[in-house]
Amino acid sequence: KNQVEQSPQSLIILEGKNCTLQCNYTVSPFSNLRWYKQDTGRGPVSLTIMTFSENTKSNGRYTATLDADTKQSSLHITASQLSDSASYICVVISNDMRFGAGTRLTVKP
Amino acid sequence: DARVTQTPRHKVTEMGQEVTMRCQPILGHNTVFWYRQTMMQGLELLAYFRNRAPLDDSGMPKDRFSAEMPDATLATLKIQPSEPRDSAVYFCASGLGPDGLAVSSYNEQFFGPGTRLTVL
Repeated sequence: KNQVEQSPQSLIILEGKNCTLQCNYTVSPFSNLRWYKQDTGRGPVSLTIMTFSENTKSNGRYTATLDADTKQSSLHITASQLSDSASYICVVISNDMRFGAGTRLTVKP
Repeated sequence: DARVTQTPRHKVTEMGQEVTMRCQPILGHNTVFWYRQTMMQGLELLAYFRNRAPLDDSGMPKDRFSAEMPDATLATLKIQPSEPRDSAVYFCASGLGPDGLAVSSYNEQFFGPGTRLTVL
């Protein structure tokens, strides 16, 4: 069983709508949690990096939350744009790196 | 603008051949990572270097894979002999981290565009 579980596996929304992606993990000990955006055919791009003490971190229309007690993180995208169509990968850093399988987001006009 | 570059972008080879992938990290970055991504396994960390020294290569099949950093501007990943199961996209990433710390150090990574490898 993967120690980093992302949901949903895929998501389709209309342009302008908000959405929330989930990341649950069982990795321990915990150092930090990262959300990446990966466009098709490109390398991942860092959106946020959160440590144990951070509950919320924003990057433009992207807001990540972290509950280290329940080991859950979410990535909220506000007022989605067509360019938000991508895979979003959650990575938990411990003594090594644990990757989620990603959520494939499609934003339709 | 500063970015990680990787060559080649695409490589098709036959089973048993040697494959060499190259990465130029962002100037001044002291940490280089190699990743592999497949549809089935997703992203996997293969190895990483700090100040050109290998810190961890436990994610890499040792019998056929080797990673080196001959100088601060070049990292290489070699597969010899290559096998069809090695077909994947290989990403290099670089970052700036405190000396002496492991992967858990708080540093952002910048990914290259990847090398798409197909082994027939």
